[in-house]
Amino acid sequence: GQQLNQSPQSMFIQEGEDVSMNCTSSSIFNTWLWYKQEPGEGPVLLIALYKAGELTSNGRLTAQFGITRKDSFLNISASIPSDVGIYFCAGREGGSEKLVFGKGTKLTVNP
Amino acid sequence: GAGVSQSPRYKVAKRGQDVALRCDPISGHVSLFWYQQALGQGPEFLTYFQNEAQLDKSGLPSDRFFAERPEGSVSTLKIQRTQQEDSAVYLCASSFQGFPNEKLFFGSGTQLSVL
Repeated sequence: GQQLNQSPQSMFIQEGEDVSMNCTSSSIFNTWLWYKQEPGEGPVLLIALYKAGELTSNGRLTAQFGITRKDSFLNISASIPSDVGIYFCAGREGGSEKLVFGKGTKLTVNP
Repeated sequence: GAGVSQSPRYKVAKRGQDVALRCDPISGHVSLFWYQQALGQGPEFLTYFQNEAQLDKSGLPSDRFFAERPEGSVSTLKIQRTQQEDSAVYLCASSFQGFPNEKLFFGSGTQLSVL
């Protein structure tokens, strides 16, 4: 099925470092979402973006909806060990209920 | 309940067996989705219900996959004559109204292993 291009695939960082990951699509999306998934759990919504150019923060997390509506990025500042997990971008096309997910960015934070 | 509940958490099936996976959405949530997540991949859409109506089943991989939500609350995903490629985590998600901007809440999933 259709999936988004998410990069990087994995990141190994030291506690306190900032992290950046992004997602691109060949399709235009009306909604971009960022989820975090921990082992044995379902994805949990972190940030939702609804307008092109929108920049939204949630604590140490910041995400932006690209102007072209075909990309989005997520930044995590001052990472901590509990940030470990897999981060997924997801997009929704206009008129569609279903979400299309990226393949995920696996984040490892070394204390 | 407080969240989306799925059962069983783990299911091991022999190839050719039929399986049924259950999802209890958040009370009052109108929309219900099923996603399939293969190892190392992102979730992929299977099907979508609004109340008891199955509005989109375009993601079901074959006619061996069948989903129902007869009373508009609990949903069951049935897989007939399971194959090894059906091994994955099956995630259920629900949202209050299903409008484009509604947030989706996921369950913990059922991990299906077909031997």
